[in-house]
Amino acid sequence: EPEVTQTPSHQVTQMGQEVILRCVPISNHLYFYWYRQILGQKVEFLVSFYNNEISEKSEIFDDQFSVERPDGSNFTLKIRSTKLEDSAMYFCASSVAGSQETQYFGPGTRLLVL
Amino acid sequence: AQTVTQSQPEMSVQEAETVTLSCTYDTSESDYYLFWYKQPPSRQMILVIRQEAYKQQNATENRFSVNFQKAAKSFSLKISDSQLGDAAMYFCAYRPPYNTDKLIFGTGTRLQVFP
Repeated sequence: EPEVTQTPSHQVTQMGQEVILRCVPISNHLYFYWYRQILGQKVEFLVSFYNNEISEKSEIFDDQFSVERPDGSNFTLKIRSTKLEDSAMYFCASSVAGSQETQYFGPGTRLLVL
Repeated sequence: AQTVTQSQPEMSVQEAETVTLSCTYDTSESDYYLFWYKQPPSRQMILVIRQEAYKQQNATENRFSVNFQKAAKSFSLKISDSQLGDAAMYFCAYRPPYNTDKLIFGTGTRLQVFP
């Protein structure tokens, strides 16, 4: 069964550094998402992406964050200048369509900012 | 504001027994979607079951079923004949009906299954 994959599984970075988290959504899916979960807290929506543009973003998704679909398979989340509070598990998800369709999640990337 | 509450941080069940995980939510909408996701220690979050609010019938997937009480805004997950592989973190999630694709999650319930 097709799955969403994410790389790397773990990333450690220094505060102020840029990180890029990568995701390969399920191949026939058209909608892509990023969520994050700070340790001990809820999974929170960051951004949704469709047709090569952001369709929705949360207040967390500020100018330090950006998303891109650089080719036909990858979907990336870039954090330009990481802060300590960016330490979290980041989940990518995809769905065939928006609204009513089920979102399928990847295994996550654990980001630790030192 | 739309919120999802899972009041049980941890639950445990003996193999072959039944366990119910609770979830309540707050919304003023009448049409929406509810989900239970399972996150095993391997970390892949897997959809367990989904419920459309306009459907009165409770969703069922094999050993997993929900008790959807719309008026009470309650969406509990029942796992029958629990298996060791059911041990995981379970997240309840709500999706508003219009103009958004985001899921709103609860804090999760960690389920332990004992032999």
